[in-house]
Amino acid sequence: KQEVTQIPAALSVPEGENLVLNCSFTDSAIYNLQWFRQDPGKGLTSLLLIQSSQREQTSGRLNASLDKSSGRSTLYIAASQPGDSATYLCAVKGGSEKLVFGKGTKLTVNP
Amino acid sequence: NAGVMQNPRHLVRRRGQEARLRCSPMKGHSHVYWYRQLPEEGLKFMVYLQKENIIDESGMPKERFSAEFPKEGPSILRIQQVVRGDSAAYFCASSRRDSGSLETQYFGPGTRLLVL
Repeated sequence: KQEVTQIPAALSVPEGENLVLNCSFTDSAIYNLQWFRQDPGKGLTSLLLIQSSQREQTSGRLNASLDKSSGRSTLYIAASQPGDSATYLCAVKGGSEKLVFGKGTKLTVNP
Repeated sequence: NAGVMQNPRHLVRRRGQEARLRCSPMKGHSHVYWYRQLPEEGLKFMVYLQKENIIDESGMPKERFSAEFPKEGPSILRIQQVVRGDSAAYFCASSRRDSGSLETQYFGPGTRLLVL
């Protein structure tokens, strides 16, 4: 059974800092891994999708890496801004269509 | 091009009542997924449907919960005789097709169910 763990559960940083969010999964047989952003009371926004054959994806100030063999992914956020404050969710897709989510990292960027 | 739509956004029910949650997928999407997010928990898969077919309901509680995606109209998640433990955010997602590694699921804003 696939399990996804995200560390830390919460993170508070000053504006401008670079930061790393961690995600680990127990079963390396995945199709892809996604990072989502969830704002309070809102739905999920897909940030980056990494296919199992890829090692990283970049979008603007975001960079996600994937090490499938060790069951790990990181989300790197450069030059953080208050608008980046949200909960970041990691999800993996295995042989079925369902996504398996971690509990998320709640990020607060202080002005 | 509207995204995934869910209604109602907030729903309050008393114990024993029925809750009906609706999801309209994005235009051109024929695959719908329902997830539940309990307080302080991650999203948990409930059910995956295509038009008129339930493909995977491995995450659905065995009793009181049902889902459908008719040929016409939105997908419906139905919870009968709600209990306080059903209070959660219910998210719907849709995709164009089942596509292995390439396709992402697009999520709606969720329905927050509160059972009194």
